[in-house]
Amino acid sequence: DGGITQSPKYLFRKEGQNVTLSCEQNLNHDAMYWYRQDPGQGLRLIYYSQIVNDFQKGDIAEGYSVSREKKESFPLTVTSAQKNPTAFYLCASSIFLAGVDEQYFGPGTRLTVT
Amino acid sequence: GDSVTQMEGPVTLSEEAFLTINCTYTATGYPSLFWYVQYPGEGLQLLLKATKADDKGSNKGFEATYRKETTSFHLEKGSVQVSDSAVYFCALRDFGNEKLTFGTGTRLTIIP
Repeated sequence: DGGITQSPKYLFRKEGQNVTLSCEQNLNHDAMYWYRQDPGQGLRLIYYSQIVNDFQKGDIAEGYSVSREKKESFPLTVTSAQKNPTAFYLCASSIFLAGVDEQYFGPGTRLTVT
Repeated sequence: GDSVTQMEGPVTLSEEAFLTINCTYTATGYPSLFWYVQYPGEGLQLLLKATKADDKGSNKGFEATYRKETTSFHLEKGSVQVSDSAVYFCALRDFGNEKLTFGTGTRLTIIP
C-alpha cells in the first residue's frame, strides 16, 4: 500500500535538545511538506521541498531545519532554537505540477518538550 | 495574500441533522478549494475538492460548491452520523503555488 509514514507517533524531549522527526513516502511524489498544528490555529507551513536536494522555507521556519537527500524522505529537525516546540507535526506530499494536486498527509508526530 | 476563514466551532448536532460549515476565502489568483477531515489523533484526509467556479465536490455524502461570486466553499451534508465527528479544515491553493492555505478548523461532534 502506498502512503506516508511518520515516526514515532509520540516523542518526548527535554528542553535544549535537538530532535529529528521522520517522514517517508512511497507514493513517488516529487514534493514534500512539513506543517505544524497547534490548537485553534489550523496548520502552518514550516518547510517544503519540490525536488531532491532543494527546499524552501515556509511561514514559520525559524528554529527548524530539513534535508532532502532522497525523493522518498524528508526529515525535520526541531532545534533548541525553536522557542515553543511542543506541537503536532504533520508531513505531506504531492505530485509536483504547476496545476492543482491535493496533498496527502501522514498520521503525524506529537512532540512534547519539557 | 491568500486567506481562509471558516466557521468557528465547536459545532454539536444530533444524528441525522443537516450540516453546514461555512468557509470563505481571499485569493489573488484562481485558487482550487479543498475540504480536509481530521479524525482524533490522526493526520488529515482529503474529503473533497473543486478546481474552478461552479464546480461541486462531493464524497461520502458531503458536498461543497465553489462560488466565485461570494468567494465561498461551504461544506454540507444532509444527514450526519456519529462517525462524522471530526475536525474539518477548509483550504485553498492558488494556481502555480505549492502552498496550501488552511482555515483554523471546525470541530464537529455528532450525538446519538
